[in-house]
Amino acid sequence: DVKVTQSSRYLVKRTGEKVFLECVQDMDHENMFWYRQDPGLGLRLIYFSYDVKMKEKGDIPEGYSVSREKKERFSLILESASTNQTSMYLCASISRTGVRHEQYFGPGTRLTVT
Amino acid sequence: QKEVEQNSGPLSVPEGAIASLNCTYSDRVSQSFFWYRQYSGKSPELIMSIYSNGDKEDGRFTAQLNKASQYVSLLIRDSQPSDSATYLCAVYTGTASKLTFGTGTRLQVTL
Repeated sequence: DVKVTQSSRYLVKRTGEKVFLECVQDMDHENMFWYRQDPGLGLRLIYFSYDVKMKEKGDIPEGYSVSREKKERFSLILESASTNQTSMYLCASISRTGVRHEQYFGPGTRLTVT
Repeated sequence: QKEVEQNSGPLSVPEGAIASLNCTYSDRVSQSFFWYRQYSGKSPELIMSIYSNGDKEDGRFTAQLNKASQYVSLLIRDSQPSDSATYLCAVYTGTASKLTFGTGTRLQVTL
């Protein structure tokens, strides 16, 4: 069973704080992703990573950074949290078997910035 | 034009009926196609994947893919109130190495 875990289900932070969201997968997956999801806007890709120390910008990277020091862990960092970063944050990883690949999501972190 | 398009709904079907959810995509080189179910406040859950033209059945779910017409659909037979959720269509294109998601169709199954 694929398992993707996220460090917190709910988080409340103040404007200007540095925020760390952690994601861990236990299946040796290479590709990992961070999304945010907002009503009416759907899922939007922030950053993704193909391997340790590799990162690629997604569609909305501004205001975010990421870290992938170990294969199983992909961290999303909000350098200086702002109220417009209040959202549901979803981590995902891809399972590959031959040409087939399937993406699995963690449970999500609902972040509120006040 | 959006890369992956879905009707936002809500799609309302009575209990026991067939729900039909549709999705079109713009990139002809798309390789793999997925349906996710998302309950309110929860993360998306993968329920179907389809890689080649035709139908794929799994329990009450059938995914249908037509690459020539660039659409993929999900049929839910014998719809239950527990099927009420938002269904996300996702498409994988190897060149981009990431999924592109539609904005989802909200399904309501009424008693």
